[in-house]
Amino acid sequence: GENVEQHPSTLSVQEGDSAVIKCTYSDSASNYFPWYKQELGKRPQLIIDIRSNVGEKKDQRIAVTLNKTAKHFSLHITETQPEDSAVYFCAAEGSGTYKYIFGTGTRLKVLA
Amino acid sequence: EPEVTQTPSHQVTQMGQEVILRCVPISNHLYFYWYRQILGQKVEFLVSFYNNEISEKSEIFDDQFSVERPDGSNFTLKIRSTKLEDSAMYFCASRWTGLPEKLFFGSGTQLSVL
Repeated sequence: GENVEQHPSTLSVQEGDSAVIKCTYSDSASNYFPWYKQELGKRPQLIIDIRSNVGEKKDQRIAVTLNKTAKHFSLHITETQPEDSAVYFCAAEGSGTYKYIFGTGTRLKVLA
Repeated sequence: EPEVTQTPSHQVTQMGQEVILRCVPISNHLYFYWYRQILGQKVEFLVSFYNNEISEKSEIFDDQFSVERPDGSNFTLKIRSTKLEDSAMYFCASRWTGLPEKLFFGSGTQLSVL
C-alpha cells in the first residue's frame, strides 16, 4: 500500500528564516497531496494542497512543490513567525481510493 | 465555515468496556473517515465509509471496531472491548465526493483506557 515518508522529524529555525519540509510517497498513481498543520491538542488543519497536474502552488508565505518523477513534494514556509510553530504533516491520496496516508510529521519550532 | 463536530471531547473508560465515539460530518459530504493519533505520533487511517458501507479499512481496524451511520447526520465508531493500546486521539473526518478533495477533520475525542 501507499507509504509516505517525511523529513526532518524536528526543525528549528530563527524567526524570519525559511523552513523546508520534504516528503516522498510510494504510489506513483497518487494524485493529491495536502499539507496539514497541527497545533498542540488541536485538529489537523489543511494549509495548502497540490494536485499532480501542477508542479508548484503558492499561498502567501507558504508554497508546495511536487516532483512526480521523483515522487516527492515539499512544503516551503518563508519569513517564519513564532505562530508557525506546530507539527506539520504531509499526506498523499492513495490511487483508486479516497484514503489519505499521512507522513510521520515534522515539529517546527520558530525561535524568536 | 462548516465544521465536523465530535463528541465527547474526552472519554475515560476501563479496559474491556465498550465505547462509542460520535461524529457529525459536514452536511453535504459523503465520504467519512476515522483516524487515530497516538500521542506524539502520526495520524493513522482506520476506516473510510461511503454509501452506507465501509469502503476501506486498515489493519488496525479489527473485529473490535465497527462504524455506523445510524441516521442522516451521525457517524459513529464503536470499540467493543477496549484495550490499553486503544488509548489515543480519535479524529473523524469528512470530504465531498468530487473536487476539491479537501479532507476536514473534527476536533477529536481523546480516549483514555485505564
